[in-house]
Amino acid sequence: KAGVTQTPRYLIKTRGQQVTLSCSPISGHRSVSWYQQTPGQGLQFLFEYFSETQRNKGNFPGRFSGRQFSNSRSEMNVSTLELGDSALYLCASSPEGGYTEAFFGQGTRLTVV
Amino acid sequence: GQNIDQPTEMTATEGAIVQINCTYQTSGFNGLFWYQQHAGEAPTFLSYNVLDGLEEKGRFSSFLSRSKGYSYLLLKELQMKDSASYLCAVRDHGGSYIPTFGRGTSLIVHP
Repeated sequence: KAGVTQTPRYLIKTRGQQVTLSCSPISGHRSVSWYQQTPGQGLQFLFEYFSETQRNKGNFPGRFSGRQFSNSRSEMNVSTLELGDSALYLCASSPEGGYTEAFFGQGTRLTVV
Repeated sequence: GQNIDQPTEMTATEGAIVQINCTYQTSGFNGLFWYQQHAGEAPTFLSYNVLDGLEEKGRFSSFLSRSKGYSYLLLKELQMKDSASYLCAVRDHGGSYIPTFGRGTSLIVHP
């Protein structure tokens, strides 16, 4: 069974640009969550999608948005990039929304210059 | 919300036992997770505790005391490959299934 796949693995963008990251969950998993990981703040929750609907949202500005497609694949978008957005962005999928156990992807390392 | 505290870094010797503590404050506890994350890799699930007591899984065990807001991860017979970051995460009853993660404990195992 394939794991959680995130693309791209690495990305370099310029301040002010926007970026879209992709996550394909494990087959059959309907819940997809996104996290931002930085050395200073640790793993911080961005949002969760379940059956194409955003069900939970963390404390991030509106520049961070996401969506989920009917095949459960999810994308997150960050507009007007800032230097502080440089981080590892992780996606996690779980079978149902109960989140007993989440399976993480390898992440996308975003660098904003 | 939750407030989760765990040591930033720990060192231990190969073959030894190490205990990584996690304390938390939450308005309505609904489960505690431990994840392992090697540098440059995805976090991987280690354990889930929702009731008090010790859960053993091979060389790894996790303990929970809800009344004390305390958990620990016990690693026995340490191996070099156990050098990683260990993340404690707590979920509460606040309507979200999503746990809040601590900043992680970086464990260094030396020969």
